[in-house]
Amino acid sequence: GQNIDQPTEMTATEGAIVQINCTYQTSGFNGLFWYQQHAGEAPTFLSYNVLDGLEEKGRFSSFLSRSKGYSYLLLKELQMKDSASYLCAVDLNNAGNMLTFGGGTRLMVKP
Amino acid sequence: DAMVIQNPRYQVTQFGKPVTLSCSQTLNHNVMYWYQQKSSQAPKLLFHYYDKDFNNEADTPDNFQSRRPNTSFCFLDIRSPGLGDAAMYLCATSRGDGDGEQYFGPGTRLTVT
Repeated sequence: GQNIDQPTEMTATEGAIVQINCTYQTSGFNGLFWYQQHAGEAPTFLSYNVLDGLEEKGRFSSFLSRSKGYSYLLLKELQMKDSASYLCAVDLNNAGNMLTFGGGTRLMVKP
Repeated sequence: DAMVIQNPRYQVTQFGKPVTLSCSQTLNHNVMYWYQQKSSQAPKLLFHYYDKDFNNEADTPDNFQSRRPNTSFCFLDIRSPGLGDAAMYLCATSRGDGDGEQYFGPGTRLTVT
């Protein structure tokens, strides 16, 4: 089966930096996605990593180590609006490019 | 400019009364997906279409069916909704050419009374 693990909840302070980890064991791999999902809304794309290393996009960065089956999402200069769930998802590299999602990490940003 | 559209956004149905949720896309993507997401859980893939080829997840109940009459539209039919089927239903699309990014619609929140 497919296994994607991430912490259930995290809390951080406005202006701080937070790192959300994701580990995976899947039957196929064609990249790892991070999505942001606010309560009651659809997931929105944040980042995609298929090669090892760090991808930076403004306040958000994502890192991948394929040999370790590990990724993290780094959020800098946290804002209150960053309070949301963050979903780690692996592209299984099969026909249809199906994604397997982790359970999501609910991030609460406090003043 | 909406790319993946779902209607309605909120749907209330009675226990056992068939209901259909709809999804349309303006992206001309090959693949369309239906996910079920319950509160505080990850989206769970129900099935997907690669063009006209239908792919059912092994653990998707028979109560759930789907139709894709053309590239743009995809429907989710729940034949006899139970209380446990109350959830957010997300439609997503992707190009299906190796670029795995999926584009999600806003979802339909289904309530079963």
